[in-house]
Amino acid sequence: KAGVTQTPRYLIKTRGQQVTLSCSPISGHRSVSWYQQTPGQGLQFLFEYFSETQRNKGNFPGRFSGRQFSNSRSEMNVSTLELGDSALYLCASSFALEADTQYFGPGTRLTVL
Amino acid sequence: QQQVKQSPQSLIVQKGGISIINCAYENTAFDYFPWYQQFPGKGPALLIAIRPDVSEKKEGRFTISFNKSAKQFSLHIMDSQPGDSATYFCAASMQGGSEKLVFGKGTKLTVNP
Repeated sequence: KAGVTQTPRYLIKTRGQQVTLSCSPISGHRSVSWYQQTPGQGLQFLFEYFSETQRNKGNFPGRFSGRQFSNSRSEMNVSTLELGDSALYLCASSFALEADTQYFGPGTRLTVL
Repeated sequence: QQQVKQSPQSLIVQKGGISIINCAYENTAFDYFPWYQQFPGKGPALLIAIRPDVSEKKEGRFTISFNKSAKQFSLHIMDSQPGDSATYFCAASMQGGSEKLVFGKGTKLTVNP
């Protein structure tokens, strides 16, 4: 069974731009979560989607948003990029909303110049 | 407020030695405690996980020890190998929580040959 895939793997943007990252969960998994990983703050939860609905949201500004499609694929969007948004963005999938075990993708490395 | 505190930040162990990483949590509602292993350029991979009704769980060379009264849990890597060199993250979650997973800051383990 294929793992979680994320595209693109690397992105370079400039301040003020917006960016969209994509995640395809493991086949059969319906819950997708997003995390931001930085050297200073570590791994921080952004949001979780299940059945095309945002179920939980972390403590991030409204510039960070996401959505989930009927095939469970998910995208996250960051608008008006800031230098501090440079990070590894990780997507994780789990079988169901109540499922604890999450499987992570390789991440998208975003650099904001 | 950091809900899961992990120590040490870095750890150097000789091949064949025991690596021990500790985590402490505040929220007694947490009911699932996984450990993740992350290699450079990769996403975190689930290593082993425990629930509070068990004091110890062993999988191969990896053991989680859990102390509910002290709100602490630790990862022991027996017979550490150079291939174990990675960053290890403890995490915690609870059903119905606002965050899917709350992570510790990570421990960079180096196993010298």
